[in-house]
Amino acid sequence: DQQVKQNSPSLSVQEGRISILNCDYTNSMFDYFLWYKKYPAEGPTFLISISSIKDKNEDGRFTVFLNKSAKHLSLHIVPSQPGDSAVYFCAASAWNRDDKIIFGKGTRLHILP
Amino acid sequence: EAGVVQSPRYKIIEKKQPVAFWCNPISGHNTLYWYLQNLGQGPELLIRYENEEAVDDSQLPKDRFSAERLKGVDSTLKIQPAELGDSAVYLCASSPGTSGKASTDTQYFGPGTRLTVL
Repeated sequence: DQQVKQNSPSLSVQEGRISILNCDYTNSMFDYFLWYKKYPAEGPTFLISISSIKDKNEDGRFTVFLNKSAKHLSLHIVPSQPGDSAVYFCAASAWNRDDKIIFGKGTRLHILP
Repeated sequence: EAGVVQSPRYKIIEKKQPVAFWCNPISGHNTLYWYLQNLGQGPELLIRYENEEAVDDSQLPKDRFSAERLKGVDSTLKIQPAELGDSAVYLCASSPGTSGKASTDTQYFGPGTRLTVL
């Protein structure tokens, strides 16, 4: 049973445009959400997070939106740059349950020149 | 500041052989994690240490997998004997452990060890 779902295995976006990566979750106990970015042959690196008490968190070109009623979050990258080409993992945790992070399968983002 | 160091980066072994992976976390990080990442999947937690204590090993297949973090710094993950299905990337991560919540502490990942079992 996959608790964190990234239904788009890949996404291609023109350089300079907005990239929107989507993530759905099934566990209503999740209260903390994260995005990690991974380049080939490297480990994932933390990108941005959001607590369930918020519906938006912004850090430079990266914004994460959380819709708790829909159990959906999205990562917006504006404007998209060539260095943004990577695999993006959505992750979630429920601190009061088992205190570990559950990752989605990832979405590969290609930024086209 | 040096990141999380893992070795070897790649390992090819035949099934039924033993294999060990080593991880050195970021200096001062109390929490250490071992993750398994299968092809096309996200990382899955195998074990989490707080200093030298394994506080969550519920996902570690204890019949063939073992881990240790004897002095609360570096750690070793062992598989004995390896099976074909163990082919994957084994990731080590560490976090400061200062927030009191492993799930909200930023985790810093190493590059991983890619294991191929023939």
